[in-house]
Amino acid sequence: GNSVTQMEGPVTLSEEAFLTINCTYTATGYPSLFWYVQYPGEGLQLLLKATKADDKGSNKGFEATYRKETTSFHLEKGSVQVSDSAVYFCALTGSGAGGTSYGKLTFGQGTILTVHP
Amino acid sequence: EAQVTQNPRYLITVTGKKLTVTCSQNMNHEYMSWYRQDPGLGLRQIYYSMNVEVTDKGDVPEGYKVSRKEKRNFPLILESPSPNQTSLYFCASSFQGARNIQYFGAGTRLSVL
Repeated sequence: GNSVTQMEGPVTLSEEAFLTINCTYTATGYPSLFWYVQYPGEGLQLLLKATKADDKGSNKGFEATYRKETTSFHLEKGSVQVSDSAVYFCALTGSGAGGTSYGKLTFGQGTILTVHP
Repeated sequence: EAQVTQNPRYLITVTGKKLTVTCSQNMNHEYMSWYRQDPGLGLRQIYYSMNVEVTDKGDVPEGYKVSRKEKRNFPLILESPSPNQTSLYFCASSFQGARNIQYFGAGTRLSVL
């Protein structure tokens, strides 16, 4: 079945530092890949997505590139802010309709990011 | 405003006392789903629904029931809650299709004593 593995956290950075959160996946076919962010006390929000190999998703200064050859979708940001402190989830959905892959998000375990001033 | 609304946000109950967590969306989405979030495990799907009167099990359905009588509502029912169902629960919805963006509610934190 599908699975997602994220780097262990928590990650603690100073403001303006460079951020990388690693994510690798196992899936059949051509999944879509997502990064969701969960701010304290809130639900998950979509941060960015990529639907095919070599696509780059970007939003709010965050980027991630769909690498099929390494089955990876690492999240990066050049200069983090205190307001980026949150839990980040890498996720995927299956490539085909029908069965339990349809619309189902498979999540990594989440990475807690704390940014200090 | 487009949103997924869950109620209640916080709930403390005792073992065996039936409870329902409601979920409603105003985006006319066909697909709705329930997840539970536990430390170190990420989010795991409990049940999902592809449309009215169409529901199916996710990865961890034991101890839960759902219904989808109307398109906008997808309640989660715990007939006889147990302490291992203490968790943070999220409802999500989207248009049809595995690649579509899912919108999440704010979550329901449930404690079963």
